[in-house]
Amino acid sequence: DAGITQSPRHKVTETGTPVTLRCHQTENHRYMYWYRQDPGHGLRLIHYSYGVKDTDKGEVSDGYSVSRSKTEDFLLTLESATSSQTSVYFCAISESQGGFYGYTFGSGTRLTVV
Amino acid sequence: GNSVTQMEGPVTLSEEAFLTINCTYTATGYPSLFWYVQYPGEGLQLLLKATKADDKGSNKGFEATYRKETTSFHLEKGSVQVSDSAVYFCALLPATGGGNKLTFGTGTQLKVEL
Repeated sequence: DAGITQSPRHKVTETGTPVTLRCHQTENHRYMYWYRQDPGHGLRLIHYSYGVKDTDKGEVSDGYSVSRSKTEDFLLTLESATSSQTSVYFCAISESQGGFYGYTFGSGTRLTVV
Repeated sequence: GNSVTQMEGPVTLSEEAFLTINCTYTATGYPSLFWYVQYPGEGLQLLLKATKADDKGSNKGFEATYRKETTSFHLEKGSVQVSDSAVYFCALLPATGGGNKLTFGTGTQLKVEL
């Protein structure tokens, strides 16, 4: 009954290849976010979206792009994967701007770039 | 800019011990403050929040009080259980500016032993 799902859950890819991670929601929330989680850094915002085709950069957006062609899907693309992008990636949704009522997080995608 | 500082972990406690996880913040005005919890292999879940000075957020036996004078939002629980073992994140939502996005601390791992 999860309102937000991420796919794949795990992925191993080679340096230099493009990778796309998918976030799918069934809550019809307007706001969607991509974070990466790394030891010692907590969660850092990569990109976010405030509606279909409306996206903006977060604090660590270099090397990443996003697309949102439908309310329910928010895609994160690593244009040419590097080892520094090995991380756990989380998608989050919120019904209010800034998550005043809290974010709902997906279960994460563990990405390894070799 | 906005930032959140949490005590470093891991914090290791015996079951039924008292828990405090310190969180201080830097922000202008009166941000909203949150605690999120991440259980192993899962995404973050909202634990509690407070939106104005002197507010106390509480949930599942955890509580935190918004202290403007000390810019703090320490998480406490009177008697921890093994099931409380998780990573705890403090976060803030700025009152103005900051793009209305959550800023997270680096997380504090809690381990509770029998």
